[in-house]
Amino acid sequence: GENVEQHPSTLSVQEGDSAVIKCTYSDSASNYFPWYKQELGKGPQLIIDIRSNVGEKKDQRIAVTLNKTAKHFSLHITETQPEDSAVYFCAAGDSGYALNFGKGTSLLVTP
Amino acid sequence: DAGVIQSPRHEVTEMGQEVTLRCKPISGHDYLFWYRQTMMRGLELLIYFNNNVPIDDSGMPEDRFSAKMPNASFSTLKIQPSEPRDSAVYFCASSSRQGIGEKLFFGSGTQLSVL
Repeated sequence: GENVEQHPSTLSVQEGDSAVIKCTYSDSASNYFPWYKQELGKGPQLIIDIRSNVGEKKDQRIAVTLNKTAKHFSLHITETQPEDSAVYFCAAGDSGYALNFGKGTSLLVTP
Repeated sequence: DAGVIQSPRHEVTEMGQEVTLRCKPISGHDYLFWYRQTMMRGLELLIYFNNNVPIDDSGMPEDRFSAKMPNASFSTLKIQPSEPRDSAVYFCASSSRQGIGEKLFFGSGTQLSVL
């Protein structure tokens, strides 16, 4: 089955700096790669996703890149703000209905 | 829409007791998922349903775990008997292919503590 590795497990940045979280996956059949943000006491929420026919996608301060050859994808957050502090999960799947999640990255943005 | 609703938010029980977690998916969604979250293992898929039918339960850890979806608006995850290692946050999520793609909508979770 699919195995998703996520790094780093914790990340601390200063407000205004950029944050990058990286994931690798094992199943070449995977074609859907979403990112979820989990705030304290809440369930994960989708923030951005990318499909295998696209190499990069951007939504305001958030961007995701995908390298299918190397089987890795990354989340980039620019101009970080304290409200970006949360746990971020990457996931991969070939149907979207049996997503396999990484173990999460705890991001702390310090003022 | 109220989103995915889970109950209870917190459950504290003693080892050996039966635990039942409940979930109401978003109306119109035809997929429902149960995930378990722990620090060690992250988010693990336990089981998912399509149109109330279980599709894949390979993530259910043991026979002590069972899940049902008697209708489109309700699902339960039952643990009997419960053990301390079952302590985790259990999430329910729902999804629909109709114009949303594979986006999962998660509930707020049930924090389970088995003493």
